[in-house]
Amino acid sequence: EVQLVESGGGLVQPGGSLRLSCAASGFTFSIYSMNWVRQAPGKGLEWVSHISSSGSSIYYADSVKGRFTISRDNAKNSLYLQMSSLRADDTAVYYCARHLNSGTDYWGQGTLVTVSS
Amino acid sequence: QSVLTQPPSASATPGQRVTISCSGSTSNIGSNYVYWYQQLPGTAPKLLIYTNNQRPSGVPDRFSGSKSGTSASLAISGLRSEDEADYYCATWDDSLSGVVFGGGTKLTVL
Repeated sequence: EVQLVESGGGLVQPGGSLRLSCAASGFTFSIYSMNWVRQAPGKGLEWVSHISSSGSSIYYADSVKGRFTISRDNAKNSLYLQMSSLRADDTAVYYCARHLNSGTDYWGQGTLVTVSS
Repeated sequence: QSVLTQPPSASATPGQRVTISCSGSTSNIGSNYVYWYQQLPGTAPKLLIYTNNQRPSGVPDRFSGSKSGTSASLAISGLRSEDEADYYCATWDDSLSGVVFGGGTKLTVL
């Protein structure tokens, strides 16, 4: 059974940093590209970042470019999102999602990031 | 402003058929497969349709997807109360180099 479990969310002050993790199991993590997608309270889904299976191709949404860094450790079956210079509008539930062709198939349960003083 | 355009809301009575549209452009829907997700309150999105019209195992055949040119649609037949949820379309955008989502459609079962 495919499982994606996010962790690392919490309350952080504006300008602060946070590192999210996503532990993958039930599939061969190293052959799949992965994504981070977020959802602000009461809002729709917003794609954040994509990383290829090897980590050689990485893309970011303009809203996070230069502030967020996606990475992965295939030996540990884990995906990461390093977030810095956090702003109030980064407040959201962050999901990791497995990439399939031009979309995503499996999603984690999400981890809440709240940016507030 | 979402790259893909969906109606913000839709409604129908139990047993009826409802269709949700998703409009894009040549760089996204026109060039790539479309995906549809169902999100119940307080839960993560669940894949309903992949590669335009395929259903994952476990998704009832009441749900169907189609694509034509730069638009796609999700149809739900035999509507049930448990279908009340938010529905999102998504695909890859070649110009933006990222996944793009529709703004979501809130389906109400009257």
